[in-house]
Amino acid sequence: QSALTQPRSVSGSPGQSVTVSCTGTSSDVGGYNSVSWYQQHPGKAPKLVIYDVSKRPSGVPDRFSGSKSDNTASLTISGLQAEDEADYYCCSYAGTYTWVFGGGTKLTVL
Amino acid sequence: EVQLVESGGGLLQPGGSLRLSCAASGFIFSSYSINWVRQAPGKGLEWISYISSSSSTIYYADSVKGRFTISRDNARNSLYLQMNSLRAEDTAVYYCARSGGLYVDYWGQGTLVTVSS
Repeated sequence: QSALTQPRSVSGSPGQSVTVSCTGTSSDVGGYNSVSWYQQHPGKAPKLVIYDVSKRPSGVPDRFSGSKSDNTASLTISGLQAEDEADYYCCSYAGTYTWVFGGGTKLTVL
Repeated sequence: EVQLVESGGGLLQPGGSLRLSCAASGFIFSSYSINWVRQAPGKGLEWISYISSSSSTIYYADSVKGRFTISRDNARNSLYLQMNSLRAEDTAVYYCARSGGLYVDYWGQGTLVTVSS
């Protein structure tokens, strides 16, 4: 499977909103409502922030939201805070118990 | 509290073998599917293997198929990854990752495997 396509980097000022895109194909992102997003700070394990396209786990601020249209999923972070600066990875179920990740996006809070 | 603790990483030469372990606690291990996900230094995440709760369903990414074997021991709350014929490109942090559904909901802290001559 080919990795999902994410922008290498995005940035925003505190209080602003940013959106990270994640483009796949009809065999993964477009074929299932099973896109998840992970936040990873340097040297740390990833942390789930969105699952099933738009659901937030308990404890994740409602500033984090997800959506999907056709073969592209998006993660939006509103009211940016300094602690949001991290790498973000999308992941999609690709059928038959296989998954594919995006290449990752580095979010810089200016 | 859900905890996943990997161990067994290290430095080895190309062609060598290594067995990683993941000790689980804080949840009913036998009720959950588990994955191995790896991350090469400075690179992104790569899903490499899945095992269902009863070990009846197992899948691998093409990059490791035929070389790696996933297994689990529900009595010991443990997951394993036997890695054979290791290559330089297998150098990565290996994470044990619990499936919450069709997604990973908890990750271990990872164990580093370095393959180098």
